[in-house]
Amino acid sequence: GQQVMQIPQYQHVQEGEDFTTYCNSSTTLSNIQWYKQRPGGHPVFLIQLVKSGEVKKQKRLTFQFGEAKKNSSLHITATQTTDVGTYFCAGPGSGGSNYKLTFGKGTLLTVNP
Amino acid sequence: DGGITQSPKYLFRKEGQNVTLSCEQNLNHDAMYWYRQDPGQGLRLIYYSQIVNDFQKGDIAEGYSVSREKKESFPLTVTSAQKNPTAFYLCASSILGEKLFFGSGTQLSVL
Repeated sequence: GQQVMQIPQYQHVQEGEDFTTYCNSSTTLSNIQWYKQRPGGHPVFLIQLVKSGEVKKQKRLTFQFGEAKKNSSLHITATQTTDVGTYFCAGPGSGGSNYKLTFGKGTLLTVNP
Repeated sequence: DGGITQSPKYLFRKEGQNVTLSCEQNLNHDAMYWYRQDPGQGLRLIYYSQIVNDFQKGDIAEGYSVSREKKESFPLTVTSAQKNPTAFYLCASSILGEKLFFGSGTQLSVL
């Protein structure tokens, strides 16, 4: 079945350093979503990318969708302690339905103040 | 405030027991979902429902059952057939398969 691989599994940075997490799919995706889960919390939607080569920014966060629509990345510039959490990407599952999202295992970001 | 309410926050199951996790939403969303999260793992889909009185199996439905009698409610029963039920269970809802809104989760443990 469709798989979404996410790397790295963990990333520890000093506050102010940049951070990037990568998401790769075994199949072409119609769209990709990103979520953030704070420690002890629940996932919160960040963004959805739909177009090939799309780049979207939210303050210090930059999201990219690959030209082939099989990979995506999330880059955080100048991390802050509020960025701590696990970042998940998710793509439509088998059949291309958003009702059956397949989540990556996530990247846990810790920030040393 | 609009949102998704899951209860209880913590739940303990004895061997051979069925337990039911509650999920209620007042967002007027048609679709509702149940995900299971294990430590260091992503979210895995148990069941989803696109509309009242209809639901579909996800990737790991064995040992679980659901009902969708009302738009607002999507309870999940963890049956005794689920041999490894310890996990964090997340309920979510969405409009037409768009972005997911999650509840605060239920941590289920086995006594």
